[in-house]
Amino acid sequence: GAGVSQSPRYKVTKRGQDVALRCDPISGHVSLYWYRQALGQGPEFLTYFNYEAQQDKSGLPNDRFSAERPEGSISTLTIQRTEQRDSAMYRCASSLGTSGVPYFGPGTRLTVT
Amino acid sequence: KNEVEQSPQNLTAQEGEFITINCSYSVGISALHWLQQHPGGGIVSLFMLSSGKKKHGRLIATINIQEKHSSLHITASHPRDSAVYICAVSMDSNYQLIWGAGTKLIIKP
Repeated sequence: GAGVSQSPRYKVTKRGQDVALRCDPISGHVSLYWYRQALGQGPEFLTYFNYEAQQDKSGLPNDRFSAERPEGSISTLTIQRTEQRDSAMYRCASSLGTSGVPYFGPGTRLTVT
Repeated sequence: KNEVEQSPQNLTAQEGEFITINCSYSVGISALHWLQQHPGGGIVSLFMLSSGKKKHGRLIATINIQEKHSSLHITASHPRDSAVYICAVSMDSNYQLIWGAGTKLIIKP
């Protein structure tokens, strides 16, 4: 596709379940970012990939959160043992390089009940 | 104090008015971004600039590196311009975007 895609667009899960959120960046984009946005707030950085290398995971809130990008393209953000406080919009962005314009995906709205 | 501050937080104007949104930052940056977030939630990059001025259609973005200040202008505003406009900066030492709180713009017909 022409843009960044994310799936699912909406996810409702029960507390304690694991979820996997997928990001498909623009073809050829080296840099991939995950952000989390709570309602009414600005995006919060989670993690950054350069190709398949996770170069910064300082924004991941705790060890229940992990991300991978094994082939330098599609990325998966996994949240284990979800909690209600994990409910948010999870956004992925990609760019040609670290100094490139970021293109954002539509986000995955996660609701933990 | 936030590293990126925007003003105003909220702005309501009539269709056709000239709109200015301001952004000040306190860190050394490699680039400043203006982004638009629509009511539906999608985020679109409008501008990325490190000096001077850029124009795209009715949108103009300027930056003054010495004063650590940027402005986003909208000429001949239209109700479809209603959105949250976000200023964000990226630093030389860090590729993370540091986000402002956003300016909610409503253009009334």
